[in-house]
Amino acid sequence: SQQGEEDPQALSIQEGENATMNCSYKTSINNLQWYRQNSGRGLVHLILIRSNEREKHSGRLRVTLDTSKKSSSLLITASRAADTASYFCATDSTGGFKTIFGAGTRLFVKA
Amino acid sequence: DTAVSQTPKYLVTQMGNDKSIKCEQNLGHDTMYWYKQDSKKFLKIMFSYNNKELIINETVPNRFSPKSPDKAHLNLHINSLELGDSAVYFCASTEGTGDEKLFFGSGTQLSVL
Repeated sequence: SQQGEEDPQALSIQEGENATMNCSYKTSINNLQWYRQNSGRGLVHLILIRSNEREKHSGRLRVTLDTSKKSSSLLITASRAADTASYFCATDSTGGFKTIFGAGTRLFVKA
Repeated sequence: DTAVSQTPKYLVTQMGNDKSIKCEQNLGHDTMYWYKQDSKKFLKIMFSYNNKELIINETVPNRFSPKSPDKAHLNLHINSLELGDSAVYFCASTEGTGDEKLFFGSGTQLSVL
């Protein structure tokens, strides 16, 4: 079964707007990662947040983690057409030997 | 200077055939993975190898057999292909077996007719 689930499944916004997507997971984690997948390509790592962190920033990305609610959010500020992609959250399993993904949020940024 | 490369990018074949997908990473990583992404974009781990040793084998039919000749290579051989095997297969690697980030190949789109 999937450990993580992203919400919404799809999101369409105008360039310049902010995009927020959420991830919920089921079991305890050591860390949570967000990845981006452009159409027809492999996933690219964006950011990792550890279980003892609550917020992390990287450029236009802001990630929050609420371990009590088993949820995370990814905020992309001032979106660009180039941000159009699918975004996945991923969590590690016990022992950290594998990373388990949800089904992703498809973001479409209109120019 | 591609970090994780997999071939072929597209594979179209008939049911019942046997096919292989190759993967190589030049990052010096110890751990490699195969993931399967279905038509609904769910990404599921299939196998993981650390220094040529199998460490993860999810519930995958034994028609799928990974082979790691060295830690830079992890190939996937599929016997007796079925329609349900149609998917995009991704190879990935991490430096170790901890919580490092995954580096992905660009995927192999397998279509079984």
